[in-house]
Amino acid sequence: GQNIDQPTEMTATEGAIVQINCTYQTSGFNGLFWYQQHAGEAPTFLSYNVLDGLEEKGRFSSFLSRSKGYSYLLLKELQMKDSASYLCAVLDSNYQLIWGAGTKLIIKP
Amino acid sequence: EADIYQTPRYLVIGTGKKITLECSQTMGHDKMYWYQQDPGMELHLIHYSYGVNSTEKGDLSSESTVSRIRTEHFPLTLESARPSHTSQYLCATQRAGDTGELFFGEGSRLTVL
Repeated sequence: GQNIDQPTEMTATEGAIVQINCTYQTSGFNGLFWYQQHAGEAPTFLSYNVLDGLEEKGRFSSFLSRSKGYSYLLLKELQMKDSASYLCAVLDSNYQLIWGAGTKLIIKP
Repeated sequence: EADIYQTPRYLVIGTGKKITLECSQTMGHDKMYWYQQDPGMELHLIHYSYGVNSTEKGDLSSESTVSRIRTEHFPLTLESARPSHTSQYLCATQRAGDTGELFFGEGSRLTVL
């Protein structure tokens, strides 16, 4: 079957750095997405990786290793507004999105 | 101003009622999706459409129907609501191509008593 694994919850301190991991086992791979979802709101797009390596976008970076079935989202200079759930999703061989359950990130002052 | 509109935002309804959740978009995207999401859980695909008169079933489609008569509208209908349908329903669109990101509406939170 197809599977996306992320930690359920993480806690970090304002101003610090946090890395949220995602491992996947899917039938084929056509890219990996990260979305941010604040409580009670809709997900919003953060990043898309299809090639191995690191993609940097401001305070957020996303890394992909296709051979290891692994990705991480790196958040730097954490702010209170970064408290949210972070969803990992993989496009399989049929271009269908397989979603992880999300990682709830709690930022403490 | 939102480009994807979902109504109602919140609905409390009794068992056995027929309900339609509306989704409209002004982005001109051909691809549209309906997802169901429970708190702390992954999104589950209910139905999707690649354009007018095109609809496909997802993983949780058996108790609902959709239509796509116009590009802008993609309503989701539950013929007979049950307490197990209590959830958040998210509508999303996608630009042309297979790898574009999804744009989500604000969701419809349904409670069936």
